[in-house]
Amino acid sequence: DAGVTQSPTHLIKTRGQQVTLRCSPKSGHDTVSWYQQALGQGPQFIFQYYEEEERQRGNFPDRFSGHQFPNYSSELNVNALLLGDSALYLCASSLSDWNTGELFFGEGSRLTVL
Amino acid sequence: QKEVEQDPGPLSVPEGAIVSLNCTYSNSAFQYFMWYRQYSRKGPELLMYTYSSGNKEDGRFTAQVDKSSKYISLFIRDSQPSDSATYLCAMSEYFTDKLIFGTGTRLQVFP
Repeated sequence: DAGVTQSPTHLIKTRGQQVTLRCSPKSGHDTVSWYQQALGQGPQFIFQYYEEEERQRGNFPDRFSGHQFPNYSSELNVNALLLGDSALYLCASSLSDWNTGELFFGEGSRLTVL
Repeated sequence: QKEVEQDPGPLSVPEGAIVSLNCTYSNSAFQYFMWYRQYSRKGPELLMYTYSSGNKEDGRFTAQVDKSSKYISLFIRDSQPSDSATYLCAMSEYFTDKLIFGTGTRLQVFP
């Protein structure tokens, strides 16, 4: 049973560029959340998708947008990249009736903005 | 002030020691409390999950929640070098995936 898979694992961009990160949830999971983890910090919630709609959003600017597809996979898009966007981007999946703490994380996509 | 405070460490202990990791929080609405372990260059892995106050034990790990003091702890007994990792506390309000994480405590267990 494949867990949460993310791609790419590493990427380098320059300021002002745009990036798309991809996530496939754990089999059977229908909810996808994205987190940003800066070096030496805990993950910060970006947003959550369920039934192809953004259900919750953290304190991130509109440059951060996402999408969920009918097969529950998801994309995170970041426009007009800033140096401060350099971080590990984590995707996490769960069931919509989450009440057991079972939130599974992928290995992350490490973004470096130069 | 951050919603969740966690000492970043590093915490260095000898193999076999009992390790105590702690977090404090300010939001009294938090009801779900988790501990994640994160190895270098990996995603967080759920270790323990607790709802509301009380203790929970799983093998060498014990999680404690004291909602009156807004304080949670993770104890690791008989620590092993393989326990060397960053430990993240996380918490959430009722029925939501929006987790609020601490900064993580880096633990090093030496042989």
